[in-house]
Amino acid sequence: GQQLNQSPQSMFIQEGEDVSMNCTSSSIFNTWLWYKQDPGEGPVLLIALYKAGELTSNGRLTAQFGITRKDSFLNISASIPSDVGIYFCAGPDSWGKLQFGAGTQVVVTP
Amino acid sequence: GAVVSQHPSRVICKSGTSVKIECRSLDFQATTMFWYRQFPKQSLMLMATSNEGSKATYEQGVEKDKFLINHASLTLSTLTVTSAHPEDSSFYICSAIFPDSPNQPQHFGDGTRLSIL
Repeated sequence: GQQLNQSPQSMFIQEGEDVSMNCTSSSIFNTWLWYKQDPGEGPVLLIALYKAGELTSNGRLTAQFGITRKDSFLNISASIPSDVGIYFCAGPDSWGKLQFGAGTQVVVTP
Repeated sequence: GAVVSQHPSRVICKSGTSVKIECRSLDFQATTMFWYRQFPKQSLMLMATSNEGSKATYEQGVEKDKFLINHASLTLSTLTVTSAHPEDSSFYICSAIFPDSPNQPQHFGDGTRLSIL
């Protein structure tokens, strides 16, 4: 099936720094989603991308849907302590089932 | 605000006990809900697709007699872990999609931490 390769696996950054993570796939996705999961909670949708080349922002978050439809990146600008968590990329496969990347653990130090 | 509610948030019980987890869509009708399992430091793994008024569709390797899914109403799906054992300890999460909205993303509940002693 379709697989999403997400990197980096973890990031340790200082407050105020920017964060960037990406996902790639060997197959085309028609939708790319970015979720954040806090410890002990379910994933929360951050950004949804529906068109190749689309660049969308949500506050300090910016995500882009790659032109080839096989990749996407998420940027977090000026990180703050509450940005700590695990970020997942995801996309529905050809059967409509959501495939997830392995996640990027973000740790922000003051 | 939350659009999917999951209950309970945490369960600790003895081996052999059956545990029921509820997933409710808030303010919308969900004909389809999904159940995931997540082990520590891992991503979400789809267990089954819950369809209102019909049988659930299970992913390969998931025992349907072990994980009973009932989706009897348009706002409620339940997952029952029957005769739970320590290896069933995990974080179980449900999700739902707004109806009549193709390509709409899944919205997740807050998860249920199941610990079997």
